[in-house]
Amino acid sequence: GAGVSQSPSNKVTEKGKDVELRCDPISGHTALYWYRQSLGQGLEFLIYFQGNSAPDKSGLPSDRFSAERTGGSVSTLTIQRTQQEDSAVYLCASSLYRGLTEAFFGQGTRLTVV
Amino acid sequence: GENVEQHPSTLSVQEGDSAVIKCTYSDSASNYFPWYKQELGKGPQLIIDIRSNVGEKKDQRIAVTLNKTAKHFSLHITETQPEDSAVYFCAASIDSSYKLIFGSGTRLLVRP
Repeated sequence: GAGVSQSPSNKVTEKGKDVELRCDPISGHTALYWYRQSLGQGLEFLIYFQGNSAPDKSGLPSDRFSAERTGGSVSTLTIQRTQQEDSAVYLCASSLYRGLTEAFFGQGTRLTVV
Repeated sequence: GENVEQHPSTLSVQEGDSAVIKCTYSDSASNYFPWYKQELGKGPQLIIDIRSNVGEKKDQRIAVTLNKTAKHFSLHITETQPEDSAVYFCAASIDSSYKLIFGSGTRLLVRP
């Protein structure tokens, strides 16, 4: 596709359930990021994938959060045993080369935990 | 850890006036500083960026300045228009991996 695609666009889940959020980056982009944006807040860094290097997981808030990137392309962010404080918009971005070129963002997945 | 601080959190200006948003960063090795604009319900979009080998860059009504010694950079918007109203984020690529870290955002309101 022409841009970064995220799915689903909206997700409502019950507290305690697991959720998977998907990100399709721009083809050929080696860097992929996940950020979390709570209502009216900034962009909280979660995880960063760069090529075949080990991902930088330093932003993940707890061990309930994990992410993988298969084949250097599609990425999945998984949240286990969701809590109400996990409610936020989860944004994915990709860039051609590390954090040194423009990052293109998807529209985000709005997660609501009830 | 490494972080990017952004001020002010909100800014209200009259149409036609200038707006300035400032950011500081802590990693002296940072060398790429983009600015993003986020409109309601959308993902952020790049509006201008600057690299550490220049001190200023301009694109029509938007300019960015960088002071590497002081580790701060600023966004300047001149002749503001109502459509400039949005949330603006600064960012810096940090540490040896050059991951992008964002400031906390500035909500700009341009009053007609």
